Amino acid sequence: TQLLEQSPQFLSIQEGENLTVYCNSSSVFSSLQWYRQEPGEGPVLLVTVVTGGEVKKLKRLTFQFGDARKDSSLHITAAQPGDTGLYLCAGRKGAQKLVFGQGTRLTINP
Amino acid sequence: NAGVMQNPRHLVRRRGQEARLRCSPMKGHSHVYWYRQLPEEGLKFMVYLQKENIIDESGMPKERFSAEFPKEGPSILRIQQVVRGDSAAYFCASSAGAGGNTIYFGEGSWLTVV
Repeated sequence: TQLLEQSPQFLSIQEGENLTVYCNSSSVFSSLQWYRQEPGEGPVLLVTVVTGGEVKKLKRLTFQFGDARKDSSLHITAAQPGDTGLYLCAGRKGAQKLVFGQGTRLTINP
Repeated sequence: NAGVMQNPRHLVRRRGQEARLRCSPMKGHSHVYWYRQLPEEGLKFMVYLQKENIIDESGMPKERFSAEFPKEGPSILRIQQVVRGDSAAYFCASSAGAGGNTIYFGEGSWLTVV
């Protein structure tokens, strides 16, 4: 049973388009983190969201934490080839371990 | 993820040998986590340790796998009598404490069993 469901699992779009990646769960998390991973490397932290309804922006990336702290989304505006990679959401309950979704593999075509 | 140091980055072992993966957490971090990633999959939790204590090992296989985080020195993930199915990327992460502290990952150790 996957605690965190990411969708879509694969996404290939053209440069300049917008996209949204979703991370859903039936569980409540105290915090949720988004990572980006390149081939052969470790996950690199993009953002941590803690408060229900919280919105954080990182240049063209907008992250939102659901009001009930069960879900999150990542929206990319005007995608660029450099955005290509594996995007991972991970939720944490209190002091417990970080639980990952299965990832969204994003490809931006020039 | 700067600061969490893992070595070796790549390790090749023959079936039946032992693999030892090391992780030095970020400076000031006393909590260490080990995750495994198979090709084209997400990260699966293995074990969570604090100095000299195993907090949660619910993701560790019951046999051949062990982990430690001694008072001095790096955390070690040890895999005895490796099999081909152990081939994967093993990631270590660390945090300053429990609760809301952000978790940072190392670059990973890629184990190949031949």
